[in-house]
Amino acid sequence: GQNIDQPTEMTATEGAIVQINCTYQTSGFNGLFWYQQHAGEAPTFLSYNVLDGLEEKGRFSSFLSRSKGYSYLLLKELQMKDSASYLCAVSDSNYQLIWGAGTKLIIKP
Amino acid sequence: DTEVTQTPKHLVMGMTNKKSLKCEQHMGHRAMYWYKQKAKKPPELMFVYSYEKLSINESVPSRFSPECPNSSLLNLHLHALQPEDSALYLCASSQDWGSGANVLTFGAGSRLTVL
Repeated sequence: GQNIDQPTEMTATEGAIVQINCTYQTSGFNGLFWYQQHAGEAPTFLSYNVLDGLEEKGRFSSFLSRSKGYSYLLLKELQMKDSASYLCAVSDSNYQLIWGAGTKLIIKP
Repeated sequence: DTEVTQTPKHLVMGMTNKKSLKCEQHMGHRAMYWYKQKAKKPPELMFVYSYEKLSINESVPSRFSPECPNSSLLNLHLHALQPEDSALYLCASSQDWGSGANVLTFGAGSRLTVL
């Protein structure tokens, strides 16, 4: 079967750094996405990785290791507005998105 | 215009009602999607339209009926729903369907309550 695992909930302090991990087992791989979803709102696109390595975009970075079936999202200089759920999703061999259950990130002052 | 617009934002309906959810995008995207999302769960794919043709139906009950009148519009017709169908219904679009880097742009969603 296809499976994506990410922690259910994480807590971090404003101004700090947090790393949200995602491991996956899918039928084929055509890229991995990270989306941010604030409570009651729609998901918004953060990053896409298809090759191994680190992609940096401002305070957010995303890393991929295809051989390990592993990705992480790194958030620096955390702000209160970063409190949200972070969804990891993999595009499989049929280009269908397989979604993780999401990681709820709580930022404390 | 980089938005996907969904109406209505909230909908309450009885089990015998017929209603529709509407979605519009003007980004020139050729693929449009309906997702259903329950609280604290990831989005579940329902339907995919590519070039105005239904490409994927994820075994959705017939009480949900999608329609794509043109490349910018996507509707979801609802009839004889059950209380367990209460959820956030998300419309999304992407440049096309069937490539790896398909970034989805989501609408704000229609929150449906079935009484």
